[in-house]
Amino acid sequence: DAGVIQSPRHEVTEMGQEVTLRCKPISGHDYLFWYRQTMMRGLELLIYFNNNVPIDDSGMPEDRFSAKMPNASFSTLKIQPSEPRDSAVYFCASSLVGSYNEQFFGPGTRLTVL
Amino acid sequence: AQSVTQPDIHITVSEGASLELRCNYSYGATPYLFWYVQSPGQGLQLLLKYFSGDTLVQGIKGFEAEFKRSQSSFNLRKPSVHWSDAAEYFCAVGANAGNMLTFGGGTRLMVKP
Repeated sequence: DAGVIQSPRHEVTEMGQEVTLRCKPISGHDYLFWYRQTMMRGLELLIYFNNNVPIDDSGMPEDRFSAKMPNASFSTLKIQPSEPRDSAVYFCASSLVGSYNEQFFGPGTRLTVL
Repeated sequence: AQSVTQPDIHITVSEGASLELRCNYSYGATPYLFWYVQSPGQGLQLLLKYFSGDTLVQGIKGFEAEFKRSQSSFNLRKPSVHWSDAAEYFCAVGANAGNMLTFGGGTRLMVKP
């Protein structure tokens, strides 16, 4: 299996622009997680899905952030409008029910908002 | 709610020396415990995991960890550190609900030649 795939790996944008991050989970996994990692706040869970349905979005920082999972093999995290404080590494992870919560992480997207 | 504490933010060891990274958790039931490693510019890679059974678990790259229920700890060890072990290490505990993990703040390991 190719593992969790994220794109782009790096994104540089200007403040106010829309940013879309993409994730393809491991085939057959039914949970998908979006995390944000910064030096100041460490690793934060933003939102997670089960069978394509958002279960807990309490970690989404503001209404500027939205996430979707239109099917089992694709998810997006969108920031509109972006701000410099959104600069971070965004990780996607997937997991299989019954796997004792083991999560598999993608390589991350490094976002820089100028 | 569960929580994970990694008391050491930074650790520096000499190459060839032994290593122990500390992890303490708070969770009401039997925990699922994990150690992940993150090399610079990379995602998190699973080193090892504990679900039940033998409290000493072996992982990849020569790492092991011991679950001690009485101390609520799951410390990571390696008998001889290699320069390539320099990375950030995260301890995590799993709750039953939602396949979620709660992560500690991480320990950054530096290896001196």
